[in-house]
Amino acid sequence: DAKTTQPPSMDCAEGRAANLPCNHSTISGNEYVYWYRQIHSQGPQYIIHGLKNNETNEMASLIITEDRKSSTLILPHATLRDTAVYYCISGNEKLTFGTGTRLTIIP
Amino acid sequence: DTGVSQDPRHKITKRGQNVTFRCDPISEHNRLYWYRQTLGQGPEFLTYFQNEAQLEKSRLLSDRFSAERPKGSFSTLEIQRTEQGDSAMYLCASTILLTGRKETQYFGPGTRLLVL
Repeated sequence: DAKTTQPPSMDCAEGRAANLPCNHSTISGNEYVYWYRQIHSQGPQYIIHGLKNNETNEMASLIITEDRKSSTLILPHATLRDTAVYYCISGNEKLTFGTGTRLTIIP
Repeated sequence: DTGVSQDPRHKITKRGQNVTFRCDPISEHNRLYWYRQTLGQGPEFLTYFQNEAQLEKSRLLSDRFSAERPKGSFSTLEIQRTEQGDSAMYLCASTILLTGRKETQYFGPGTRLLVL
């Protein structure tokens, strides 16, 4: 599976948009980009996934660059409950997690 | 709750003992995955099943580890002769594989194992 690169940590003010970047420069043509988050001591929670087009759901938006080498997860109005480790994964079947981005929402 | 469930949630055992964990996937999900997560790291793939067939095993799954899914529903993960290095969170995920649709894995809460 392709490897992804994420910043280890980010802060965001409560109520602002949180933009989490991810590089996946070796992604294959049929591999999806998945985003999960993990709140302390819980199992990973699915957020969103995409292949080529931008995607939006009730939790977040996913912007994938045209060359598919990077993407950005957007939490439009961050709340304190969005504090978590966010994982960007490229692949199909078994998921290969990196160490993710620890997002802290500041009151 | 119709999500993935795991039992027990916590397990403390002494080195050398055997432990078994259970995972109940979301109803009708035909694929079931096991992952292991150590402190400060992301989850690592261990093995997965499609129905009752075990399709892939990671090299992380030593001979002391065995997983089963006998009826294609719940799954068990057994660790024999536990070692302190087995201390980790063991996560289960399930999904449904349908032709032409992209699968999304849904995770359970995990079983946290501490080997003393």
